[in-house]
Amino acid sequence: GEDVEQSLFLSVREGDSSVINCTYTDSSSTYLYWYKQEPGAGLQLLTYIFSNMDMKQDQRLTVLLNKKDKHLSLRIADTQTGDSAIYFCAETPYYNTDKLIFGTGTRLQVFP
Amino acid sequence: DAEITQSPRHKITETGRQVTLACHQTWNHNNMFWYRQDLGHGLRLIHYSYGVQDTNKGEVSDGYSVSRSNTEDLPLTLESAASSQTSVYFCASSEGSSGADTQYFGPGTRLTVL
Repeated sequence: GEDVEQSLFLSVREGDSSVINCTYTDSSSTYLYWYKQEPGAGLQLLTYIFSNMDMKQDQRLTVLLNKKDKHLSLRIADTQTGDSAIYFCAETPYYNTDKLIFGTGTRLQVFP
Repeated sequence: DAEITQSPRHKITETGRQVTLACHQTWNHNNMFWYRQDLGHGLRLIHYSYGVQDTNKGEVSDGYSVSRSNTEDLPLTLESAASSQTSVYFCASSEGSSGADTQYFGPGTRLTVL
């Protein structure tokens, strides 16, 4: 079955870059997503990447996809205290693009 | 503005009671989903629906039921609440498309079963 894994915690200094990593098992995933959850709130879509792309950039966010290793990463440049949140990666299984399989989430803590 | 709401935001109940969590969206989305969020597990899918009168089981559906009588609402019912169902519950909706299908999440309901 599908499985999505992330490290649980990441701590960075304000102004540095953050890299959040994710590994997945379904090599046939069509889309991979990054969601952000701020304290006490629901999840918000940050960005997504189609499986035939290697990289996608959106302002301070860079998504890298290594299909061979089934590895997805989210880089946040110039990390700010407002970026402190839980970040979830998610994949859509090939058999149902309306479903999402979520990772366990990575809690990003940004300190001054 | 279109939105997705959940109620109540917090609920404390006793073991064995029936509990219903409400989810209402004004996006006119076809797809609606219920997840539970637990430490170390991320979000796990409970039930989902692709349209009126359609419901499907997710990976952790035991002890839960849903019904879809209209486009806007997908209430989640715990028939006989158990302590293992203490969790934060999120409802989400999406348009349903052949491309990237963004799910929009509600603010969550924190349920405690004593």
